[in-house]
Parts: sequence; structure tokens; C-alpha cells
Amino acid sequence: GQNIDQPTEMTATEGAIVQINCTYQTSGFNGLFWYQQHAGEAPTFLSYNVLDGLEEKGRFSSFLSRSKGYSYLLLKELQMKDSASYLCAVRGSDDYKLSFGAGTTVTVRA
Amino acid sequence: EPEVTQTPSHQVTQMGQEVILRCVPISNHLYFYWYRQILGQKVEFLVSFYNNEISEKSEIFDDQFSVERPDGSNFTLKIRSTKLEDSAMYFCASSGGYGTYEQYFGPGTRLTVT
Repeated sequence: GQNIDQPTEMTATEGAIVQINCTYQTSGFNGLFWYQQHAGEAPTFLSYNVLDGLEEKGRFSSFLSRSKGYSYLLLKELQMKDSASYLCAVRGSDDYKLSFGAGTTVTVRA
Repeated sequence: EPEVTQTPSHQVTQMGQEVILRCVPISNHLYFYWYRQILGQKVEFLVSFYNNEISEKSEIFDDQFSVERPDGSNFTLKIRSTKLEDSAMYFCASSGGYGTYEQYFGPGTRLTVT
């Protein structure tokens, strides 16, 4: 089975940096994904990590440590539109399905 | 930019009725999925579909559920006899296949069972 944990809520100020952690315990591993989901909308793909290290994409970066079962998503220069739920998802080793965490709701304040 | 589309955006049905949710995946994608999200809960995998057959399904995907790719573009989820607990947002997703793993989600169909 899959067990994926992330904090429920985080609050940050516009222009600041926020780091969302995700820990996972899975029966297999073939990649970790981060998605953004605005209320009432579909998840939108942000990043994919399969090897250890940092992947940077503009204001968003994602880090993975496979040995620790740990990832984080770093959001820099926060904007009001970044207020959303951020979902950590793991792909198992023998399949393509994604197992999602419960999501972290980030609120950006002016 | 190509995107996954879903119809209808909102479906209201009575308990015991059959519903069909429709999806058009991204055209050159090979893998198709259905997920659901009950209000306030996490996104849950239902089924994956590849090469015209189910490749994996979750314990949620019982005999009342079925999927079909009736033609080269549509991908459908049928719920035969809806229950109150089937009320949720249903998302279709697709991915390219070997070497490209990110899944792209459609806007969802909100199913309300009364």
C-alpha cells in the first residue's frame, strides 16, 4: 500500500518562500509528482522527480530523497494566485496509477 | 495547447440510475485514467486503461463501474446503479506513455446522486 503524508495547511506572505514537505512509504516507487489544485478545479501538473536531487522550474522547485522517502515543493516569490492546494502523488513501481496525499492548502496573504 | 476535456461538467441523478461520464483524452496519449475526489477528501485512483483494456483497478472500482473506449477519441466511465456515496468529482486523465509519465487531468464532472 501507499502512505503519503503532507501538512494540512500553510500560510505565507506575498513575495515570501514556502516549502511544502511530503513523506511517503510505498510498496514500490517510480516517481513523485506535485500537482496544484485550485478549489473546484482539476489538478494541474507542476513537477516530476524520479532521481534524487532538485528540479527547478521557474518559481517552483521540487526535491527528492528516495532513501529518506521525502520530497518537498518550494514556492518562491509567492503571488496571490498561488493560493491553492498542493498535492503530492507517488507512482508505484509496476503501474502507472498515482496515489495522492491529502494535499496542503497554501494561503498567500498580502 | 492540447487538453483533456470532459462532459458533462455537472450531472445530477437519482439513486439507482445509470450514468455515463465522457472524456476526450489528449490525442496522442496512450494511457487513460479515471480518478474521483469526494468533497474535502483526497484524489483517489479508480482505473487505468491501456491498449483497449483495463491495466489496473482499485477496490473502489467494483462491478457497478465499467470503462470503454468506443472509438479513437472518447473514453467513458459508466456507473450502472448509482449510490449516494458515488457523489464526487470524477476526473479523467491521460499520459503519453513510456518515457513521459506526467498525467494531465480534465476539468472534471461533478456527479450528484440524490
